[in-house]
Amino acid sequence: NAGVTQTPKFQVLKTGQSMTLQCAQDMNHEYMSWYRQDPGMGLRLIHYSVGAGITDQGEVPNGYNVSRSTTEDFPLRLLSAAPSQTSVYFCASSPSRDTAGANVLTFGAGSRLTVL
Amino acid sequence: GENVEQHPSTLSVQEGDSAVIKCTYSDSASNYFPWYKQELGKRPQLIIDIRSNVGEKKDQRIAVTLNKTAKHFSLHITETQPEDSAVYFCAGLYNFNKFYFGSGTKLNVKP
Repeated sequence: NAGVTQTPKFQVLKTGQSMTLQCAQDMNHEYMSWYRQDPGMGLRLIHYSVGAGITDQGEVPNGYNVSRSTTEDFPLRLLSAAPSQTSVYFCASSPSRDTAGANVLTFGAGSRLTVL
Repeated sequence: GENVEQHPSTLSVQEGDSAVIKCTYSDSASNYFPWYKQELGKRPQLIIDIRSNVGEKKDQRIAVTLNKTAKHFSLHITETQPEDSAVYFCAGLYNFNKFYFGSGTKLNVKP
């Protein structure tokens, strides 16, 4: 099993450009989520999904869109990048809350995004 | 929503000593409290967790305690080793689906 795979690992954007961060998991996890990590601020939840076709906002959703068309994939879209979105982004997944290992997050390796 | 505060932000101990990191949460509805370890340039990895119906949990040199009345939980690492040096994050799960993380504690274990 590959676990949680994120691409790209690094990306540099100009202000106003759009891009998509990809996240895929092969563990049949129902729950998937995106976080941003900034120095001194821990991880902050952007969006999450509890299954295909279901998404909801987290703590810092503005400027980001998500969709969940399959159980495996949960892409994060930046529609018009801003310097404030410079950060390290982590995707994480877990089994649904009624199964063994519920709530235990498995993280991807992270994507470092710089917006100039 | 939830708010998780974590202290201290940095902690330096001598190898073999104990380390304690504390977190407080604001929402009594939170029912799951994990701890993650993140080494430099790596992804966070779960080291221990506790659910709200348990007061303490141990796994070898690591333990977590939970005080629901006071809304705080703590990570205890005994007999620290240099490989314990990392950033540690606490978190609380709110409304079954939203994780709120503390701001992190950078632990330095001096040989």
